[in-house]
Amino acid sequence: SQTIHQWPATLVQPVGSPLSLECTVEGTSNPNLYWYRQAAGRGLQLLFYSVGIGQISSEVPQNLSASRPQDRQFILSSKKLLLSDSGFYLCAWSLATSSYNEQFFGPGTRLTVL
Amino acid sequence: RKEVEQDPGPFNVPEGATVAFNCTYSNSASQSFFWYRQDCRKEPKLLMSVYSSGNEDGRFTAQLNRASQYISLLIRDSKLSDSATYLCVVNRAPAGNKLTFGGGTRVLVKP
Repeated sequence: SQTIHQWPATLVQPVGSPLSLECTVEGTSNPNLYWYRQAAGRGLQLLFYSVGIGQISSEVPQNLSASRPQDRQFILSSKKLLLSDSGFYLCAWSLATSSYNEQFFGPGTRLTVL
Repeated sequence: RKEVEQDPGPFNVPEGATVAFNCTYSNSASQSFFWYRQDCRKEPKLLMSVYSSGNEDGRFTAQLNRASQYISLLIRDSKLSDSATYLCVVNRAPAGNKLTFGGGTRVLVKP
């Protein structure tokens, strides 16, 4: 069965510091991968998605970036965090071959920027 | 108009009662529809996919009305553990591998 891991679970960072969040998927090959952010009391906003190694599409302009160095690894980064980057960051995967495109989420990273 | 709209609630439901709520979507070309459940401070979890013919999973029934562009979820014999936020999710046609999430409907089941 497939599992998805994210770490760290919680993170408190000062404004202007760098960020690196990691997501890995087990039990499947060539998944579609997604990064979402959920601000407090808000809906999910798609940040990035990837259909393969090195292939990243950005949904919204921001000071975040994403990379996919391996098939089942997705990394979210920032060089300098802003207060507005606080939120719940969720990684998700879906089967590239699925016609219905169900997505499955990792446990998330709760980021607080102070 | 938002792509996916939901009544935020909360829907206060006596234990054992039936509750139903809808969401509307704006993209008539969407082909995939889902209900996710999200507990407080947790990740969303897929509750059920919604098919054109409607589908049932235990106490949960989902319906799709393409003509009116809405999706419904009905929960029968509500349990305390059904308390959660229910997210309506629609794929972004024609880019089918991306999903749009509604803001969620909060359901509180009380003894």
